[in-house]
Amino acid sequence: AQSVTQLDSQVPVFEEAPVELRCNYSSSVSVYLFWYVQYPNQGLQLLLKYLSGSTLVKGINGFEAEFNKSQTSFHLRKPSVHISDTAEYFCAVGGNFGNEKLTFGTGTRLTIIP
Amino acid sequence: DTAVSQTPKYLVTQMGNDKSIKCEQNLGHDTMYWYKQDSKKFLKIMFSYNNKELIINETVPNRFSPKSPDKAHLNLHINSLELGDSAVYFCASSQGGPLHFGNGTRLTVT
Repeated sequence: AQSVTQLDSQVPVFEEAPVELRCNYSSSVSVYLFWYVQYPNQGLQLLLKYLSGSTLVKGINGFEAEFNKSQTSFHLRKPSVHISDTAEYFCAVGGNFGNEKLTFGTGTRLTIIP
Repeated sequence: DTAVSQTPKYLVTQMGNDKSIKCEQNLGHDTMYWYKQDSKKFLKIMFSYNNKELIINETVPNRFSPKSPDKAHLNLHINSLELGDSAVYFCASSQGGPLHFGNGTRLTVT
């Protein structure tokens, strides 16, 4: 069984400030982790993924995430946010092959304050 | 050049009606999915097809029936619509890699 917890439903951040969106997971099988972004009235777009290898993963739009096995976390970070980063962010965990039966968290709404 | 396209984008209908949502992908992927996103933005998988074969069927009412005429298409038919079916339905595809999502179909049942 898999589950994902996104602790913050909403995160307001001033423009050009750093941000961290938290994600904790549980899984009984090998872990594959993803962050997706959803802009208003659009589908989800992959930001980054962890399948294996380096625990620090870099994605698009300046985002990065760190896989921490001991803390079962996969927090998303960006050193300086922009207005265009306003969106809903979803953490997800995959099963045997990464994508079958992805389990999503409940999302974090990131709002950038000018 | 839309990779995963769904139609219609919006669907407003009355309780008890039957409706279909269509999905097509031009990425050459073998696997397609339907996800449901409720009013609280919670995303849950409904079905997954691999090369026209059903591989995941979550606990979804029998009123929902997916159909995959070929590996590029996965349609969703819903019978006897209920108020609780109101949601955004996302189609997605993959080829052993990340999911590629369509822009969603917002279904409103009145």
